[in-house]
Amino acid sequence: SQQGEEDPQALSIQEGENATMNCSYKTSINNLQWYRQNSGRGLVHLILIRSNEREKHSGRLRVTLDTSKKSSSLLITASRAADTASYFCATDAEGLIQGAQKLVFGQGTRLTINP
Amino acid sequence: DGGITQSPKYLFRKEGQNVTLSCEQNLNHDAMYWYRQDPGQGLRLIYYSQIVNDFQKGDIAEGYSVSREKKESFPLTVTSAQKNPTAFYLCASTPRGFDYGYTFGSGTRLTVV
Repeated sequence: SQQGEEDPQALSIQEGENATMNCSYKTSINNLQWYRQNSGRGLVHLILIRSNEREKHSGRLRVTLDTSKKSSSLLITASRAADTASYFCATDAEGLIQGAQKLVFGQGTRLTINP
Repeated sequence: DGGITQSPKYLFRKEGQNVTLSCEQNLNHDAMYWYRQDPGQGLRLIYYSQIVNDFQKGDIAEGYSVSREKKESFPLTVTSAQKNPTAFYLCASTPRGFDYGYTFGSGTRLTVV
């Protein structure tokens, strides 16, 4: 089942520029999460934003959430070559199942930072 | 250091053969998950387990089987019934409750030869 969809599918920018990725989802959520995946590696959790939060920061990352539009954005400021990776949003559309979340992941945005 | 260990990193399967992918975590997490990722695609859920000795099918469980005999371990068997098993397999775990992210292993790349 597809819950989150990222946009754009691919993004290429120059080092030092800001990168913005968007995620849309279909049903109500408890939280939305962003992950990074370097090529051929596992996913790394970046940030979690609760449904009652509108904005959250972590270092050079800024995440916004608009529950009325069912959308979120991830902004990476002052991008670096090391930020080159795929970025995924994930939502817990089904709430807790036996006490734990069941996340559904989007297709991802492939970000390339050019030196 | 705590984390999730997946092994092997690369696995080759012959036609008609069953293979088992290992996933071990020392994070004391209750829930564990198996995802499949095809090239350039997102993650699709195969199986998940919230407690020991219990597990549920995900979106693409056909041709796969799992067991959860210990809290730390959640092995995935790719059976001969899985017709297109070539993919990148990711294991993840999380504590119970909201507001926790998943911790992922480094993945196993399975190729049919």
